[in-house]
Amino acid sequence: QVRLQESGPGLVKPSETLSLTCSVSGASVSTSPFYWSWFRQPPGKGLECIGYVYSDGSANYNPSLKSRVTMSVDTSKNRFSLKLASATAADTAVYYCARVFSGPGQRKFDFWGQGMLVTVSS
Amino acid sequence: DIQVTQSPSSLSASVGDRVNITCRASQSTIFVNWYQVKPGKAPKLLIYSASNLQSGVPSRFSGTRSGTDLTLTISDLQPEDFATYYCQQTSTLLPTFGQGTKVDVK
Repeated sequence: QVRLQESGPGLVKPSETLSLTCSVSGASVSTSPFYWSWFRQPPGKGLECIGYVYSDGSANYNPSLKSRVTMSVDTSKNRFSLKLASATAADTAVYYCARVFSGPGQRKFDFWGQGMLVTVSS
Repeated sequence: DIQVTQSPSSLSASVGDRVNITCRASQSTIFVNWYQVKPGKAPKLLIYSASNLQSGVPSRFSGTRSGTDLTLTISDLQPEDFATYYCQQTSTLLPTFGQGTKVDVK
């Protein structure tokens, strides 16, 4: 069974960098045609895609966050990571990682982590 | 960009009921998925590409498409189905979600 688990600090100070890791078991982050994604959901608001990272380290980011986001993949530890610089209270949210499968006639996010609340506050 | 508008925002139902949740896309697309989300749990993929049941998901869940309207149906609501449901379009590089439908106990 594929499992994803987010980890990292639950409290980040304003202007600091929010850093999260998603550990994957039951699947390899190196295997095509899968790639890996991050989402977030601020309290009382909808779900937002932050971006994707591929096994070769390339990435696509949400334009609204692109200037502050870095995603990476660590194939040796079978995990991938998110960094969001210059955090503000608006970045307070539940952060999710998910696996993406893309094939003919489909693109689906088939396995997710349970989510992690990150609060940006002094 | 393709936008999806989901309705209703909430509904109350009883065990055994048939429940319908709708998303209207701004353009015709089959690239719409449906998810179930519960607090503290991993979101669960139910339906992909409008009408395909994800492996392991009970057959009481189904998805249909008519033009730009996509519908998630739960045919025989079970106690474990009380949750929030989201549609998601993946036609564009960045997926976007509907606003969510909370299904609670009548």
